[in-house]
Amino acid sequence: GNSVTQMEGPVTLSEEAFLTINCTYTATGYPSLFWYVQYPGEGLQLLLKATKADDKGSNKGFEATYRKETTSFHLEKGSVQVSDSAVYFCALSALSGGSYIPTFGRGTSLIVHP
Amino acid sequence: GAGVSQSPSNKVTEKGKDVELRCDPISGHTALYWYRQSLGQGLEFLIYFQGNSAPDKSGLPSDRFSAERTGGSVSTLTIQRTQQEDSAVYLCASSSTTSGGTVEQFFGPGTRLTVL
Repeated sequence: GNSVTQMEGPVTLSEEAFLTINCTYTATGYPSLFWYVQYPGEGLQLLLKATKADDKGSNKGFEATYRKETTSFHLEKGSVQVSDSAVYFCALSALSGGSYIPTFGRGTSLIVHP
Repeated sequence: GAGVSQSPSNKVTEKGKDVELRCDPISGHTALYWYRQSLGQGLEFLIYFQGNSAPDKSGLPSDRFSAERTGGSVSTLTIQRTQQEDSAVYLCASSSTTSGGTVEQFFGPGTRLTVL
């Protein structure tokens, strides 16, 4: 079946540090890949997505590149801010049993200190 | 411009009682999903509705769980004879017609269920 594995947190960084959150996946066919973010006390919201190999999704300074050869979709940001503190979920959407049912990773908590 | 709403936001119940959780999706969204989020875990898929098609119930953990979607809009998730392990945050999401699975989901704030 489909699965998403992302690095365990929490990831603790100082403001302006470089961020990488690793995400790898297993899926049949050609999935679409997503990063969702959940800020404290809020619901999940889409951060960025990529729908085919070598696509790069970007938003709010975050980037992730769909790497089919390594089945990865790592999230990066060059300079994090305190306001980026949140839980980040990697997800894929692939055809399974006739439906596109998204599969989510366990989430990685990011804590950014001033 | 309302987003996905869920009610109640918090529910505390006693073991063995039935509970109903409600989700109002974004108007016009044909796809609706229910997930369960337990502490330290990812999102566990429960059930998926797409238009007027039969729902995909493959994620429901037991026959105590059921869901319906009336008129292609509001959905209710029902848990019968609740157990302590049912304690979690139940999330609802909706999306427009899935185009090969590329369309993003819009999530509600969730219902936190606590079974004593």
